[in-house]
This record gives sequence, C-alpha cells and structure tokens, in this order.
Amino acid sequence: GENVEQHPSTLSVQEGDSAVIKCTYSDSASNYFPWYKQELGKGPQLIIDIRSNVGEKKDQRIAVTLNKTAKHFSLHITETQPEDSAVYFCAASRGSARQLTFGSGTQLTVLP
Amino acid sequence: KAGVTQTPRYLIKTRGQQVTLSCSPISGHRSVSWYQQTPGQGLQFLFEYFSETQRNKGNFPGRFSGRQFSNSRSEMNVSTLELGDSALYLCASSPSTSGRRETQYFGPGTRLLVL
Repeated sequence: GENVEQHPSTLSVQEGDSAVIKCTYSDSASNYFPWYKQELGKGPQLIIDIRSNVGEKKDQRIAVTLNKTAKHFSLHITETQPEDSAVYFCAASRGSARQLTFGSGTQLTVLP
Repeated sequence: KAGVTQTPRYLIKTRGQQVTLSCSPISGHRSVSWYQQTPGQGLQFLFEYFSETQRNKGNFPGRFSGRQFSNSRSEMNVSTLELGDSALYLCASSPSTSGRRETQYFGPGTRLLVL
C-alpha cells in the first residue's frame, strides 16, 4: 500500500520567515495530495490540495509543489505568523478512493 | 453551511465494553470516511461509506465496524474495547459533485479513553 514520509517532524521559524515541509510518497498511482492543519483539540483543516496534473498551486501565503517523477511534494508558507503555529499533515490518495494515507505530521512553531 | 459534526466529543469506557460514535456530514455530502488518530500510529484510515455501502476498509480488526444511513449520517462501532483503542476518532465527509469528489473535510473528532 501507499506510504507517505514527512519531514521535518518539528520546525521553528521566526515570524515573517518562510517554512517548508516536505513529503514523499511511494505509490505512483496516487494522484491527489492535500495538506491539513491541525490545531490543538480540533480536527484537521484542509488548507490546500493539488492534483497530479498540476505542478504548483498557490493560495495567498501558502503554496504546494508536486514532482511526480521524484514522487515528492512540498508545502511552502511565506511571511509566517504566530497563528500559523500548528501541526501540519500531508496526505496522498488515488483520488476517487477517498482513502487518505497521511504523513506523520510536522509541528510548526512560529516565534514572535 | 454547517461543518461535519461528531457526537459525543468525549467518551470514557472500560475494557471489554463497546462504543458507538456518530457523524453527521456536511449537507449534500454522501461520502463519509473514518480515521483513527493516535500519537504512536498517527492518522490511519478505518473505512469509507458512500450511499449506505462500505466502499473501502483499512487494516483494522473486525471489532471496528460502521454503517451509513439514508440521510448520509454515519456511525462507527467498536466492540470489546482494548486499551489501545484509546484515540481521537475523526470523521470526514466528501462532496458528491464531480471534480471535488476526493476532497475530505474533517469534523472535530471524538476523544475515546479506554480504562
């Protein structure tokens, strides 16, 4: 089955700096890659997603890039703010299956 | 539009008991998936229901089961609870419209503690 590896497990950045989280996947048939943000005591919140027919997607301060050949995708957050502090998860699936395989998560801390 | 709702939010049970958790998807969503989240294993897929039928199942023992009703609401049941079943159980719903079928929106979860 699918395996998703996520790095780093913890990341601390200064407010205003950029943060990058990277994931690799094993199943070449995976074609949907969402990113979720989970705050303490809450469920994961979808922040951005990308499909395999697109190499990059951007939404304000958040961007995701996908390299299908290398089977890795990355989340980029620019101009970080303290409210960006949370655990971020990447995931992968064969789109129609609705069965997400998650990475192990990255605890992002934005220092004021 | 209201989000995914899950009840109860917190639950304490003892070993050997059974538990039923409930999930109401976003209005109009027909697919409901369940995930277990633990510190050790992370987020793991349990099963997915669409139009009252189980379509996918993860690698969990038969003690974990679920169902979906005609209004798309879903329940999951865990029988003969074990200490290791202590976890946050998350429900996610997906739209039925083409083009966004795979997008999953999560509820706040049910925190289950087994003593």
